[in-house]
Amino acid sequence: GQNIDQPTEMTATEGAIVQINCTYQTSGFNGLFWYQQHAGEAPTFLSYNVLDGLEEKGRFSSFLSRSKGYSYLLLKELQMKDSASYLCAVRRSGNTPLVFGKGTRLSVIA
Amino acid sequence: DGGITQSPKYLFRKEGQNVTLSCEQNLNHDAMYWYRQDPGQGLRLIYYSQIVNDFQKGDIAEGYSVSREKKESFPLTVTSAQKNPTAFYLCASEGLAGAGELFFGEGSRLTVL
Repeated sequence: GQNIDQPTEMTATEGAIVQINCTYQTSGFNGLFWYQQHAGEAPTFLSYNVLDGLEEKGRFSSFLSRSKGYSYLLLKELQMKDSASYLCAVRRSGNTPLVFGKGTRLSVIA
Repeated sequence: DGGITQSPKYLFRKEGQNVTLSCEQNLNHDAMYWYRQDPGQGLRLIYYSQIVNDFQKGDIAEGYSVSREKKESFPLTVTSAQKNPTAFYLCASEGLAGAGELFFGEGSRLTVL
């Protein structure tokens, strides 16, 4: 089976840094993805990790530890427009479909 | 512009009626997926197709059907057998199955009256 866990909701202040955690237990692993989804809209791709370590892309970074089944998404210099749901997804093997967590709803406040 | 288009954006249906949601992509992608999203449930996989004329059931396929007669198109039919069809439906495509990121359509919100 597969289990992907993320916090349900988080709140952070504009200009601050926030870390959204994701833990997974899946039968196989071939990559972890983060997507951003604004309310009522489609998810958009943020990052991809398949090897351990940190991937940085502008204000967003994503970290992976395969031995711990753990990833986080780090958002720096938070802006109001970062208020959205953040979805963690795992590919178990080869070309199998992504399995998504339930998402973390982030609210950025002034 | 290349992209993935879902229609309709909003749809209402009466109980007992079948309804078909359209998904078209001009990205020349091989793989296409249908996900369902309910509040607090994340995205759950309904069906997927990695090549024309072939498709596979996902985790919640009961009450749904699909076809993949053309590479560009992957319509989803919500049948009357689906017990709780009110949801937000998302279609996605991927260049090659397993290649990387998914590209999502804007979604179709189905409400059963």
